Order: sequence, then structure tokens, then C-alpha cells
Amino acid sequence: NAGVTQTPKFQVLKTGQSMTLQCAQDMNHNSMYWYRQDPGMGLRLIYYSASEGTTDKGEVPNGYNVSRLNKREFSLRLESAAPSQTSVYFCASSVNRGPQETQYFGPGTRLLVL
Amino acid sequence: AQSVTQLGSHVSVSEGALVLLRCNYSSSVPPYLFWYVQYPNQGLQLLLKYTSAATLVKGINGFEAEFKKSETSFHLTKPSAHMSDAAEYFCAVRNNAGNMLTFGGGTRLMVKP
Repeated sequence: NAGVTQTPKFQVLKTGQSMTLQCAQDMNHNSMYWYRQDPGMGLRLIYYSASEGTTDKGEVPNGYNVSRLNKREFSLRLESAAPSQTSVYFCASSVNRGPQETQYFGPGTRLLVL
Repeated sequence: AQSVTQLGSHVSVSEGALVLLRCNYSSSVPPYLFWYVQYPNQGLQLLLKYTSAATLVKGINGFEAEFKKSETSFHLTKPSAHMSDAAEYFCAVRNNAGNMLTFGGGTRLMVKP
């Protein structure tokens, strides 16, 4: 049981390049989330997927797209990377989206956009 | 709208001393509150959560937090700090719809020998 896994661990991009961050969970969770972490700002929700086949915007969705490929996988795409997207990206999952649900986090992807 | 404020971005304590990390929240409805810990180069792990069952919540690694509605606070404490407690701690609040987990800015705990 690996929990939540993310690839890649590190990535360096040039401005304007695109990339997809991959996330998978093996806990049979229905809900999945993408956050970005910036110093002093905690984690901010980019997008979430309450269940397979649905996605919704979070607090900071601009410049990102997501795909809930199946129940296990939830990918985050940067179509045209900008230096402001330099951050650490975390994927998380929970059984459901209820307020008491615990979210389980992956190890993160560190992205540097030059 | 809900928000979380963590007072003190850095807290330093001596090994064996009391740990107190402060968290205040604002929410228009009864909140669900969480404390997460992040060790260097790792993801976040749940320490404990408040779901209205009891105001004093015990978590892992000897941590506990008390929900005080009158003070809109959910401070995290541990009686005696260990070196292994050095990490960043995040307080978070979740709305009733459950789809938004709002985090505070984090507090980095340093433990001196």
C-alpha cells in the first residue's frame, strides 16, 4: 500500500514549456486534490475532484488544468509555465469530500520555472 | 469565507520544554479543524483533527489541541519537546461542504538540545 505517489520529484522548466504532474493513490479514495505550497502561505488548493469524472476549481486555478483519468489518477497540467508557478506541488486524496474527512498527502513535486 | 492565522512563523524551544503552537480561525459555521506536520522534504501528515466530538483532541506523537470556541482558537501543545519534533506545522480549517481545506501559513518548530 503505497498511499499517494507523485511523479516527478523534481522538475526544471523554461518559461513557456508545458508539463504534466502525475498523481496516483491506491487507497480506493473518491476525492483527490492538487495544492501548491509557497513560503509563508501554507498550501493553497488549485483544483479538486470530488469523484471520478468531476473536477472543480479551487482557490488558485489560473494557469492550470486537471484530468481525473480514473479513480486512481489525477494529473495537473501546466500548459505554458511561468516563473510564478515555481512552487512545491502536493497531491492529496480522501475517502470522500466530507468536512471530517482526512486528506492524505503525497511527497510533493518541486518545480522550478526559469 | 474561512481563514486560519498561525501566530509565529518560527518557534524555538529547548528539548524537554513545553511546545505551544498557536492557531486562530474564522469561520461562519462550526468548523472542522486539523493540524498537520511536515518533516523536511516530505508531504503532510495528519497530527489530529477536531470534529466537534470533544474539545480536547489527542493526536499522534504526544500532541494535543484544545478547541476554544469563545477564543476561536485551536492551539497545539506537547508537554515535552523532542528533537524529532522539529518540523513545520500547519493548522487548517475545512468548510461544511468539505471541498475546501484552508491552511494557515505554517509554523516552523526548532528544538534546541
